[in-house]
Amino acid sequence: EAGVAQSPRYKIIEKRQSVAFWCNPISGHATLYWYQQILGQGPKLLIQFQNNGVVDDSQLPKDRFSAERLKGVDSTLKIQPAKLEDSAVYLCASSLRTDGELFFGEGSRLTVL
Amino acid sequence: QKEVEQNSGPLSVPEGAIASLNCTYSDRVSQSFFWYRQYSGKSPELIMSIYSNGDKEDGRFTAQLNKASQYVSLLIRDSQPSDSATYLCAVNTGGFKTIFGAGTRLFVKA
Repeated sequence: EAGVAQSPRYKIIEKRQSVAFWCNPISGHATLYWYQQILGQGPKLLIQFQNNGVVDDSQLPKDRFSAERLKGVDSTLKIQPAKLEDSAVYLCASSLRTDGELFFGEGSRLTVL
Repeated sequence: QKEVEQNSGPLSVPEGAIASLNCTYSDRVSQSFFWYRQYSGKSPELIMSIYSNGDKEDGRFTAQLNKASQYVSLLIRDSQPSDSATYLCAVNTGGFKTIFGAGTRLFVKA
């Protein structure tokens, strides 16, 4: 069974530029999550989807971050414009149930200069 | 109060000893609890899940849950240098979102 796929693995941009991350969850997993992990901290939930509906996006900085999950499968997380403090690893995860275990992709490491 | 709290460590134990990792959570209606291991530069991977009060054992790992005290712990027996990593406690809250603690760094000295 294929795992959670993410791309790109690494991205370096300058502040005020934009960036997009893509995630393909494990087949059949209805729940998809985007987490932000800053070095030395635990993952912080940005947004959670159930199929293509948003369950929680209370921690998503909506003035600069956006996310969508079209057709309840793939998801894209966009940052525009980026700030220095957005430098982090963006982790995508999926789960079979909303209360089940999460399976993570390899992450997308963003550096904002 | 943070939703999920862990001692950041580092926790240092000698090889072969028992490592004890602790976690408290604030949402009383939480039902699902997880421990993830994260090696430096890697993504979290699931070690244990626990859903009911008591102990759950899997090999060298034992998870303990006490919902009345809102407390979850992970014991690692016969600790090995390869267990050196950050251990993340995760709690699925009543709102069905999974919240992570900051993690505890564990060092196992050979």
